[in-house]
Amino acid sequence: GDSVTQMEGPVTLSEEAFLTINCTYTATGYPSLFWYVQYPGEGLQLLLKATKADDKGSNKGFEATYRKETTSFHLEKGSVQVSDSAVYFCALNNFRGSARQLTFGSGTQLTVLP
Amino acid sequence: KAGVTQTPRYLIKTRGQQVTLSCSPISGHRSVSWYQQTPGQGLQFLFEYFSETQRNKGNFPGRFSGRQFSNSRSEMNVSTLELGDSALYLCASSPDGATGGYTFGSGTRLTVV
Repeated sequence: GDSVTQMEGPVTLSEEAFLTINCTYTATGYPSLFWYVQYPGEGLQLLLKATKADDKGSNKGFEATYRKETTSFHLEKGSVQVSDSAVYFCALNNFRGSARQLTFGSGTQLTVLP
Repeated sequence: KAGVTQTPRYLIKTRGQQVTLSCSPISGHRSVSWYQQTPGQGLQFLFEYFSETQRNKGNFPGRFSGRQFSNSRSEMNVSTLELGDSALYLCASSPDGATGGYTFGSGTRLTVV
């Protein structure tokens, strides 16, 4: 079945540091890929997405490129802020007939220190 | 534009009871999905409804059920609650579930004692 593997956390960075959170996936066909972010006590917010190979999703300074050859969708940000502290989830949506569901990675806790 | 609304935000129930959670999707969205989030198992898919029909179901026991109404609002029900059902239950809506543009609600935190 489909699966998503995320870099183990927690990750602690200083403000303005470079961020990379690794994500690889296993799926048949051509899934869409996503990064979601969850702040304490809240639901998930869509951060960015890519629907086909070589697409780059970007939002709020975060970027990720859909690499089919390496089955990866790594999240990057050039300069993190304290407000970026949250849990980040990589996910895929694989279409089988009319069925739709998101398969999530285990999440990566990010803490940014001032 | 109103987001996805889940009620109630918090619930405390006793083992053996049943519970119903509600989700109002974004206006115009016809697909509603439910997920369970726990520290041990992470985010797991429960089921997805589209136009009042269940299109997909995750690997959960029959105690977990759901339905969708003609206005796309959805409810999920858990009967004979167990301690292990304590979790954050998240609802997500999408225009049609395609391309995966899901918007999540803030969730219902269920505690079973």
